[in-house]
This record gives sequence, C-alpha cells and structure tokens, in this order.
Amino acid sequence: KNEVEQSPQNLTAQEGEFITINCSYSVGISALHWLQQHPGGGIVSLFMLSSGKKKHGRLIATINIQEKHSSLHITASHPRDSAVYICAVSFKAAGNKLTFGGGTRVLVKP
Amino acid sequence: DTAVSQTPKYLVTQMGNDKSIKCEQNLGHDTMYWYKQDSKKFLKIMFSYNNKELIINETVPNRFSPKSPDKAHLNLHINSLELGDSAVYFCASSHGPGFGEQFFGPGTRLTVL
Repeated sequence: KNEVEQSPQNLTAQEGEFITINCSYSVGISALHWLQQHPGGGIVSLFMLSSGKKKHGRLIATINIQEKHSSLHITASHPRDSAVYICAVSFKAAGNKLTFGGGTRVLVKP
Repeated sequence: DTAVSQTPKYLVTQMGNDKSIKCEQNLGHDTMYWYKQDSKKFLKIMFSYNNKELIINETVPNRFSPKSPDKAHLNLHINSLELGDSAVYFCASSHGPGFGEQFFGPGTRLTVL
C-alpha cells in the first residue's frame, strides 16, 4: 500500500528555534516533494528531491532512500514560517501520481 | 503574471446544481492536475491530463468530469452537486506526468448548501 506518514502533526516553536519535520513512506518512489500551505490557503512547492539534500535559504530538505525517510529543516525560524508543511511522494508503482501526507501545522511565536 | 490561475475563487451553490471550475496555466507545461482538499486539509489527486489526454482518473464519482480543450487548460465540471462535494479544489501543472515540480493554483473553495 502506498502510504505517506508525517510527524509531528502540530509543532509550536519560538522564533529563532531550529525546526524539523519528518516524512516516511512505504515503497519505492520516483521523487519526494515538500510543499508549504499558507494560512491563506495557497500551496507553494518548496523542494522536489529524489536523493541527497537540497537547501534554499533557511530551508533544508534531506532524503534517505534506503530508510524511506525525508526531513525538512527550518533554521532560525521566524513567525512568517508559520504554515502547514506537506510531504508528497510520487510512487513508481502508482504511475507517479502524488500521494500526500497529512501535513504538519507549524506555528512560530515571536 | 499568474502561473496557474483558477476561477472562481469561491463558489457557493445549492445541492443538485451543476457547476464548473476553470484552470489555466501559462508555464508551457504538458501535464495538469485536479486535487481535492477536504475539511481535514487532506489533499488527494482526482485527475491528471498530459497533453490533453487523461492519464490519471482516481476513484471519483462520475458526476465529476474533467475537460482539457488544450494543454494550457483543464476545467472541472461537477453535476448534481452534493453536500460532500464541499471542499477546496486545487489545479496544478508540471512539465511531465508525475515528475518535475508542481505549480499550484490558488484553489477554489466550493460550498454546497
């Protein structure tokens, strides 16, 4: 069964703290995506990766193919990082359609 | 310039009505998608088109019919709307089917009364 699990479901941090969100999946994938959904509802693609590590500003995404696990890190968190972060994977056996995790709601307090 | 646009942004309608949501992308992508986000904020794919051809059709009631007049447009028509259809519907596009970064539209919040 193609499944995507995220943890934690909710996370509250103080401004400046280092944040980690985890994503695990069940079977082989073509790629893993990290998405950000703002309180206003819009969805933005942050990263797409199939191996290794990517960095964009204060955001870092890593993936371990053997362990079927990915992490999204936010360094020096800021209140504007408050959003829902969604992991999504395209499973090879499912025609590469995206399957989504349940999301992690992040609140960064000033 | 808006990359992926949807209209309308909000749609409030009565049960039993037929409605359409339109999506357009100006990114030159070959593949477009419709996703549904339910009240618990869980996203799920509904349909995907590649170069105007249907390539993904999830277990969606046949009251939902996507139409792609050209590869820049993917519209969603819903017949005989039901209360359970209330959700936010997102359109997205990517270079190819299932690979490449996906760009999302702003969403259409559908409320069925």
